[in-house]
Amino acid sequence: EAQVTQNPRYLITVTGKKLTVTCSQNMNHEYMSWYRQDPGLGLRQIYYSMNVEVTDKGDVPEGYKVSRKEKRNFPLILESPSPNQTSLYFCASSPGAEQYFGPGTRLTVT
Amino acid sequence: GENVEQHPSTLSVQEGDSAVIKCTYSDSASNYFPWYKQELGKRPQLIIDIRSNVGEKKDQRIAVTLNKTAKHFSLHITETQPEDSAVYFCAASSGDSWGKLQFGAGTQVVVTP
Repeated sequence: EAQVTQNPRYLITVTGKKLTVTCSQNMNHEYMSWYRQDPGLGLRQIYYSMNVEVTDKGDVPEGYKVSRKEKRNFPLILESPSPNQTSLYFCASSPGAEQYFGPGTRLTVT
Repeated sequence: GENVEQHPSTLSVQEGDSAVIKCTYSDSASNYFPWYKQELGKRPQLIIDIRSNVGEKKDQRIAVTLNKTAKHFSLHITETQPEDSAVYFCAASSGDSWGKLQFGAGTQVVVTP
């Protein structure tokens, strides 16, 4: 089954404790992205990747890191999470236009 | 960079009526305009998209129109049904950079029976 998976789906953590949210797709898509969704602000792009080892900043990259060592995986790293990073995070992959979203990760930073 | 504005933020319609959501964009290089539907607790899913070489596209009860001169595009839902209740997002992208997609803030559509 073609899909985008994210783990964990829910995470509660404390300020400053490094965390990684994994994202994997099995559709051999070149493009992958991370978004955060906050009430009233829609979906804001954090980082995107055009292919292996090629990444670029989106609109809200501060406080986040990404890597694309393999085509299928695109982890999101928060090295020192802060409460303002509490949000719903979506990973997406795309063959060029249509975005296929993962199920989302709800992160709470206390 | 691109800026996409979406209106209204909420829209309440009676079942059977039409719903229209409007978006404007700022980057004249944008040439791909998708619409996503997000049901409560679910992930966004593409419902229709349009490219800049087309003025209108229809798919059953939904249609999208694009005015490149005015830099705005709209989603039209006819004969609304309760299952159309969701948040709808417009977005804009340049074909030169498929990875970079700018979303509007979303419209909460409520269809009342």
